Amino acid sequence: EVQLVQSGAEVKKPGESLKMSCKGSGYSFTTYWVAWVRLMPGKGLEFMGIINPDDSDIRYSPPFQGQVTISVDKSINTAYLQWSSLKASDTAIYYCARHVPAEVDYGDNLKPYFFDYWGQGTRVTVSS
Amino acid sequence: IVLTQTPLSSPVTLGQPASISCRSSQSVVHSDGYTYLSWLHQRPGQPPRLLIYKISSRFSGVPDRFSGGGAGTDFILKISRVEAEDVGVYYCMLATQFPPLFTFGPGTRVDIK
Repeated sequence: EVQLVQSGAEVKKPGESLKMSCKGSGYSFTTYWVAWVRLMPGKGLEFMGIINPDDSDIRYSPPFQGQVTISVDKSINTAYLQWSSLKASDTAIYYCARHVPAEVDYGDNLKPYFFDYWGQGTRVTVSS
Repeated sequence: IVLTQTPLSSPVTLGQPASISCRSSQSVVHSDGYTYLSWLHQRPGQPPRLLIYKISSRFSGVPDRFSGGGAGTDFILKISRVEAEDVGVYYCMLATQFPPLFTFGPGTRVDIK
């Protein structure tokens, strides 16, 4: 059974750092890119970025470039999302999701298609 | 690319059909002739789950009362007979080869009348 299990809820103060995790199981972790998606209170889903667990190739969505860091440790089938200095506006639920690649040749290792399995989400509250 | 969903809120009657539209600000057709438009459903307090991919392909385990269609810039998700477990927010999502790579619609909230 494919599973993505995320780390638990966090309550932080502005300026603090945070690193959350997403552990994949039930499939070959290095075969599928892992994405991060944000859900802010009262808002919709937003794609943040995606990483290839095999070679750590990362693509950030422009609004999130420089704001967060995505990484992976393939030896333990885990992807990470981290902040060096949180803001109140980072309050949200963060989801990881497994990406299924399209069967087309773009000349790029990332072939955007869809997300089939999702983690349960990590709720982050940033408040002074 | 901007995705627009209509309606943004939809009170539905149990057992009755429902539909949600998703419009893209531009057409994105890949080399295989398809638009990579998917639909997700998020129940309250739950993560999103995949319903439909590549416009009309139903994901494993998704009931056949859900169907997707459309082409070009206009897409639709249909529920043939709404059940209580169908409440929540529905999102369309478009995959592109250029940034931001994945774009979500604003979401349509479905609840029971």
